[in-house]
Amino acid sequence: DAGVTQSPTHLIKTRGQHVTLRCSPISGHKSVSWYQQVLGQGPQFIFQYYEKEERGRGNFPDRFSARQFPNYSSELNVNALLLGDSALYLCASRQDRGGNQPQHFGDGTRLSIL
Amino acid sequence: GQSLEQPSEVTAVEGAIVQINCTYQTSGFYGLSWYQQHDGGAPTFLSYNALDGLEETGRFSSFLSRSDSYGYLLLQELQMKDSASYFCAVRGGSQGNLIFGKGTKLSVKP
Repeated sequence: DAGVTQSPTHLIKTRGQHVTLRCSPISGHKSVSWYQQVLGQGPQFIFQYYEKEERGRGNFPDRFSARQFPNYSSELNVNALLLGDSALYLCASRQDRGGNQPQHFGDGTRLSIL
Repeated sequence: GQSLEQPSEVTAVEGAIVQINCTYQTSGFYGLSWYQQHDGGAPTFLSYNALDGLEETGRFSSFLSRSDSYGYLLLQELQMKDSASYFCAVRGGSQGNLIFGKGTKLSVKP
């Protein structure tokens, strides 16, 4: 079975541009979460979606938005990119929105802002 | 707020045992998880403790003491492939999003 897949794997943008990152969860998983990981730090929670609705939001500005589609895939959008947005963006899926099930992470999209 | 503290780096030799500690502060507690991340890779789930005590999974074990807000990951019979960053994480709430520590970089030497 395929794991969590993310695209693209790498992306280079300039300040002020916008970016869309994509994630396909493990088959059967209905919950998708997005995390930002800056070099040398742990992942930081951005959003959680379950059944196409936002179920949680971390401490990120409104430039960050996301959505989940009927097939449970998800997009993360970031507008007006800043140098500080350079990071590894991770998508994680789980079967349901809560409980003790582990989150399964994709390999991430490495975003570089010039 | 919620925060987790873990050592930034640990070095050990092949075949040895290493313990990575984690202390946490949370407004509500829903369990302590451990993830492994190799350079350039995805975080991979290792273990989860909701109750006090030791959970064993092969060469890896994880311990939790809720009264001390403390847990650790124990890696036995270290192998070179265990060189990676290890993160402890707590759930941010009933919805299940994770709050991670800054990670412990483990270097295993021959």
